[in-house]
Amino acid sequence: GAVVSQHPSWVICKSGTSVKIECRSLDFQATTMFWYRQFPKQSLMLMATSNEGSKATYEQGVEKDKFLINHASLTLSTLTVTSAHPEDSSFYICSARGDFPPYEQYFGPGTRLTVT
Amino acid sequence: EDQVTQSPEALRLQEGESSSLNCSYTVSGLRGLFWYRQDPGKGPEFLFTLYSAGEEKEKERLKATLTKKESFLHITAPKPEDSATYLCAVLTGSGNTGKLIFGQGTTLQVKP
Repeated sequence: GAVVSQHPSWVICKSGTSVKIECRSLDFQATTMFWYRQFPKQSLMLMATSNEGSKATYEQGVEKDKFLINHASLTLSTLTVTSAHPEDSSFYICSARGDFPPYEQYFGPGTRLTVT
Repeated sequence: EDQVTQSPEALRLQEGESSSLNCSYTVSGLRGLFWYRQDPGKGPEFLFTLYSAGEEKEKERLKATLTKKESFLHITAPKPEDSATYLCAVLTGSGNTGKLIFGQGTTLQVKP
């Protein structure tokens, strides 16, 4: 299957600082990428849909000024958590979807963010 | 409202004991049903996509089937390494738009 990478795999930061997470589709072009958040023992929660060259679409209840998404190329999307607080600590997972049918969607390995 | 429900929430099997996981869905327009495997602390790993009722796909000890209302993931003679959370998701929307709607997952534990 297709490969999606994320960097870093884990990060610890202090409250009030910003953290950037990168997501790359390594072997296919992805006009559309997604950012999810997952809490322990829960399923994935979609945060936003990232489209190359345009503004991201955020799900209801997700603060777009806190979670900045940039999809600068067909293979790279970034999520920046601004002014992080302990409640932002979570497992963040990106995903990339192929541009053509069957529109299969592949996930990155995830980034564990801990805000102290 | 589009909805995906997985059952059971948790399943414990002995090695070699076959069983099935269920994913029932209510969506306005199904464009695909996806099965993923997720190990603790990792992102979901793609397993199968099913597109139409009656379709079946197999991979090693796993077999996925689809009807108009539900999908089953059959696990034949499971091994301890099959222990993981299995996620079901449906794709709605049109063209390259739309998003996956996930079920809550079934956590499978296979004991040796």
